[in-house]
Amino acid sequence: KQEVTQIPAALSVPEGENLVLNCSFTDSAIYNLQWFRQDPGKGLTSLLLIQSSQREQTSGRLNASLDKSSGRSTLYIAASQPGDSATYLCAVASSNTGKLIFGQGTTLQVKP
Amino acid sequence: NAGVTQTPKFQVLKTGQSMTLQCAQDMNHEYMSWYRQDPGMGLRLIHYSVGAGITDQGEVPNGYNVSRSTTEDFPLRLLSAAPSQTSVYFCASSRVASGVGQPQHFGDGTRLSIL
Repeated sequence: KQEVTQIPAALSVPEGENLVLNCSFTDSAIYNLQWFRQDPGKGLTSLLLIQSSQREQTSGRLNASLDKSSGRSTLYIAASQPGDSATYLCAVASSNTGKLIFGQGTTLQVKP
Repeated sequence: NAGVTQTPKFQVLKTGQSMTLQCAQDMNHEYMSWYRQDPGMGLRLIHYSVGAGITDQGEVPNGYNVSRSTTEDFPLRLLSAAPSQTSVYFCASSRVASGVGQPQHFGDGTRLSIL
């Protein structure tokens, strides 16, 4: 059974710092991995989607990498800003079921 | 562009009551799904649909029914509400199933409390 884990559960950093969020998964049979952002009281916004054949995806200050063989993905946020404060979730699409399996998220606070 | 719209945003029910959570999307997406989000449990798939007239169970389907009579709408019905169904419910859609690499679009959620 696929399990997705995100560490740490919470992170607080000063503005301007570069940071890395981690996501690990137990079964390498995946179609893709997605990173989402969730603001308090809101739904999820898709940030980046990495296909299983890809190594990384970039969007602005965000860079996500995927190492399928080791079951790991990282989300790198450059020059963090207070507006980046949110919960970040990763989810893998299982190639056995086609369904998304979510991690529990990392709650990020960027202090001015 | 409305995207995925969920109603109501908040609801309080008594144990045993029934209700329907509404979800509509205006992007002509084939794939729609319902998740519940609970503290410490992450998001868990309840039911999903790959197109009008086709639905299937997810990870936690018990106590919930769905139907997909149109491409746009995917309502979730609670048959007899129980306190264990207190949660935040999210509806999501994508152009095709998540397994072919399409990003999911989420609604803002329905916060449901069962007393």
